[in-house]
Amino acid sequence: EVQLVQSGGGLVQPGGSLRLSCEASGFTLSTYWMSWVRQAPGKGLEWVANIKEDGSAQYYVGSVKGRFSIFRDNSKNLLYLQLSSLTAEDTAVYYCARDGPMGDLWGQGTLVTVSS
Amino acid sequence: QSVLTQPPSASGTPGQRVTISCSGSSSNIERYIVNWYKQLPGTAPKMLIHNDNQRSSGVPDRFSGSKSGTSATLAISGLQSDDEADYYCASRDSSLNAWVFGGGTKLTVL
Repeated sequence: EVQLVQSGGGLVQPGGSLRLSCEASGFTLSTYWMSWVRQAPGKGLEWVANIKEDGSAQYYVGSVKGRFSIFRDNSKNLLYLQLSSLTAEDTAVYYCARDGPMGDLWGQGTLVTVSS
Repeated sequence: QSVLTQPPSASGTPGQRVTISCSGSSSNIERYIVNWYKQLPGTAPKMLIHNDNQRSSGVPDRFSGSKSGTSATLAISGLQSDDEADYYCASRDSSLNAWVFGGGTKLTVL
C-alpha cells in the first residue's frame, strides 16, 4: 500500500527540540520532493519546508528558518523534520506530504504541543 | 493572514452547484499552478485538483478547477452531504520562494 506513516511529536517545553519522522512505503521515496505542512489548532494549513529528491536542496517558510531542519534518508525510506528553539506558536499538527504533485499523498499527522 | 484569499465559508443545498474562490497575485497564482485539497475534521487533507484543473485519481467529475489571471476557482456540482468539509487552495510564490495556502473555506451542505 502506498502510504506515509508518521512518528514522533508530543509535548515539549518552550525552547526545546523534537524530531519528527515520516516513513514511506509502497513507492520509491528517492524519486520525490517531500514537504512538511502544519496546522495550528483550529487554523488553516501552513507549508513549512520541502526537500529535493536527493536531499541536496531545502527550502523553509520564513518563520522557521534557522530553527527547523528538513532532511531525509532515502536508503531507509525516511523523511525527517528536526524542530528546535520551539515556541508556543509552533504548536500544531505536522503532516508530511509527497510532492508528486505537492500534497498528492499525506501522512496521518502528528501533534506537537509546546507548553511549560 | 494568508497570501491566498478564500472566503471563510460557503454553503449550498443538495444537488446545487457551489464555487469557492482563491485570490492571489502575479507572484503566485498567475505564475504557478494551483492545487485544491479537501479536509474532513481530524483527518489529513486529500488532494482534489492539481495543475489548476486536473482531477486527482478517484475524484468524481463533480469537482472541477479553473484559473484566470490571479484567481482560481473550485466548482462542485451536484452537491452531496459528504462534500461538507474544509477546502484549501495552494500555489507556489516566487517572492516568498515557498508554497502558500489559502486560509480555507468551510463548506456547509444545508
